Amino acid sequence: DIVMTQSPDSLTVSLGERATINCKSSQSVLYSSNNRNYLGWYQQQAGQPPKLLIYWASTRESGVPDRFSGSGSGTDFTLTISSLQAEDVAVYYCQQYYSPPFTFGPGTRVDIK
Amino acid sequence: EVQLVQSGAEVKRPGESLRISCKGSQYSFTTYWITWVRQMPGKGLEWMGRIDPSDSDTNYSPSCQGHVTISADKSITTAYLQWSRLKASDTAIYYCARHGRDNHGYFHGMDVWGQGTTVTVSS
Repeated sequence: DIVMTQSPDSLTVSLGERATINCKSSQSVLYSSNNRNYLGWYQQQAGQPPKLLIYWASTRESGVPDRFSGSGSGTDFTLTISSLQAEDVAVYYCQQYYSPPFTFGPGTRVDIK
Repeated sequence: EVQLVQSGAEVKRPGESLRISCKGSQYSFTTYWITWVRQMPGKGLEWMGRIDPSDSDTNYSPSCQGHVTISADKSITTAYLQWSRLKASDTAIYYCARHGRDNHGYFHGMDVWGQGTTVTVSS
């Protein structure tokens, strides 16, 4: 199984400041035949189902604000919130869908300072 | 609006059986995989397994294999998660979710989620 790790476990950021979350997979999730990284990012606000933010490591889902961006390739990935808003308080998860089981990272909690 | 609507909350005793459902609407049900995700109280997301409703091909997480069964009835656009013998440790919120597909037809992350079904198992 592919093991996903995230860092940090939690972070507090001032409104308008940048938040950066890292995700690492135990093996590459880059599929060579189509050059796509099988990596997604989700936001889960309190009491809500998760919401897809990013897929293919860097493609923003329709309707997601452009302050959210994803980067990385192979085994190392980053989710960046360029200017944190109050509504971004949530837990953020990465997930690989390269090979089943499609494992999630443990999550990173983001709060306002 | 594309939707997944899950069945309501359940309270069960250890050893009982249970089936929860997830009904898809406003999209071609057989074109997209359905995944089930568990979230135990205060914990993170755990991928349990997925089904292709077009042919019922399934994959399970090793931790769930043999304890749950994922199925689908494409005639009523509904996926199911079932247990034959519940344990107290099955207490959790269970989400179904649809895997999105891009313009080239490749499956990617889960773009539509159900509202969640809370299952409580207690003696």
